[in-house]
Amino acid sequence: NAGVTQTPKFRILKIGQSMTLQCAQDMNHNYMYWYRQDPGMGLKLIYYSVGAGITDKGEVPNGYNVSRSTTEDFPLRLELAAPSQTSVYFCASRIGGWGTGELFFGEGSRLTVL
Amino acid sequence: GNSVTQMEGPVTLSEEAFLTINCTYTATGYPSLFWYVQYPGEGLQLLLKATKADDKGSNKGFEATYRKETTSFHLEKGSVQVSDSAVYFCALSGEFEMDQGGSEKLVFGKGMKLTVNP
Repeated sequence: NAGVTQTPKFRILKIGQSMTLQCAQDMNHNYMYWYRQDPGMGLKLIYYSVGAGITDKGEVPNGYNVSRSTTEDFPLRLELAAPSQTSVYFCASRIGGWGTGELFFGEGSRLTVL
Repeated sequence: GNSVTQMEGPVTLSEEAFLTINCTYTATGYPSLFWYVQYPGEGLQLLLKATKADDKGSNKGFEATYRKETTSFHLEKGSVQVSDSAVYFCALSGEFEMDQGGSEKLVFGKGMKLTVNP
């Protein structure tokens, strides 16, 4: 079972560079999320999607963009990388349903901006 | 809005010790409550959950009871093992945020790192 797959696992960027973090799930989940995890700060929601073609901002969307052209894929784009975007990024998905809340997470992508 | 406050570590225990990780919440309505665990180098995974008051979630020897009167969901285990070393996150869901398109959100605590020594 693949579940939620994220690539790359590690990446180092220079300030001002751009990149895309890939996320794919094979569970036919409608809801997908991008979180960032900073040390001692828990998880912060960047963007989420409730289905193909629908995305919305979370708590910390600045400096990021997303798209959702298919149910399976939810890439996160970083434009003009800044040191403040150094973090571990997690993609997650769930099937939906009010109040269930159970998320399935990928293994994370560790990004360093120098 | 909804929020979660949990014990912050790090905490180090010896094998077979008793574990309690406190979690309290602030929420409108009737949220569902969760404990997620993150093992080293991995993503988060659901440990247990409770969807209504007085429900007890349990898994892998861990337990937590949804206490509406004290707005708490403390995680307990009677005898920890080295393999329980991980970061533990309390979370809640169920908020219907109109300003963000009306979608349900999952709110996480900051996480607590547990190390269990043999």
